[in-house]
Amino acid sequence: DVVMTQSPLSLPVTLGQPASISCRSSQSLVYSDGNTYLHWFQQRPGQSPRRLIYKVSNRDSGVPDRFSGSGSGTDFTLKISRVEAEDVGVYYCMQNTHWPWTFGQGTKVEIK
Amino acid sequence: QVQLVESGGGLVKPGESLRLSCAASGFTFTDFYMNWIRQAPGKGLEVISSISGSSGSTKYADSVKGRFTISRDNGKNTLYLQMNSLRPEDTAVYYCARGEWLPNWGQGTLVTVSS
Repeated sequence: DVVMTQSPLSLPVTLGQPASISCRSSQSLVYSDGNTYLHWFQQRPGQSPRRLIYKVSNRDSGVPDRFSGSGSGTDFTLKISRVEAEDVGVYYCMQNTHWPWTFGQGTKVEIK
Repeated sequence: QVQLVESGGGLVKPGESLRLSCAASGFTFTDFYMNWIRQAPGKGLEVISSISGSSGSTKYADSVKGRFTISRDNGKNTLYLQMNSLRPEDTAVYYCARGEWLPNWGQGTLVTVSS
């Protein structure tokens, strides 16, 4: 199975400051069609996960532009340019290049 | 808008069975893969099964292979998960999610396996 490793696992952030989450995969996530199927999800407390970013860097409709994704191969990053109170929650990267599709362990973002 | 509503969760004893349902609306059901993802209490996310739009292809995580069966009724726009030989470690919130890239999730249904 592809192991997805996120860091840090806990991220205390001051409101208005940037935040960055790393996600590394144990194998390349480049599929045979040339696409990279790496996505980011946010799970607010008590809610279902919500997709923020698909295929590395494509922001979902309704997602604030302070969220951005980047990376390639095995190394990916989610950045929040200025953290707001509503961004509190757990963030997961997920790959579906290889079955079984796998998630990272999650990064808990909280306000300092 | 896309809606996914899971049902069928509950408290069962080890070794018992349960069938979950996910009623879908707001999109052309047959066009999309559908998936079951679970989250044990306080833990992360695990994709346990996926089925193609035509029902021609199913996939399972090793943790549920041989015990769980995914299926869909395209006439009823409903996804199912038949869970047999349940174990305490199957205790989790079970979500259904649309598509291969999981843009939409249901609210989840809690399955508790305990004697």
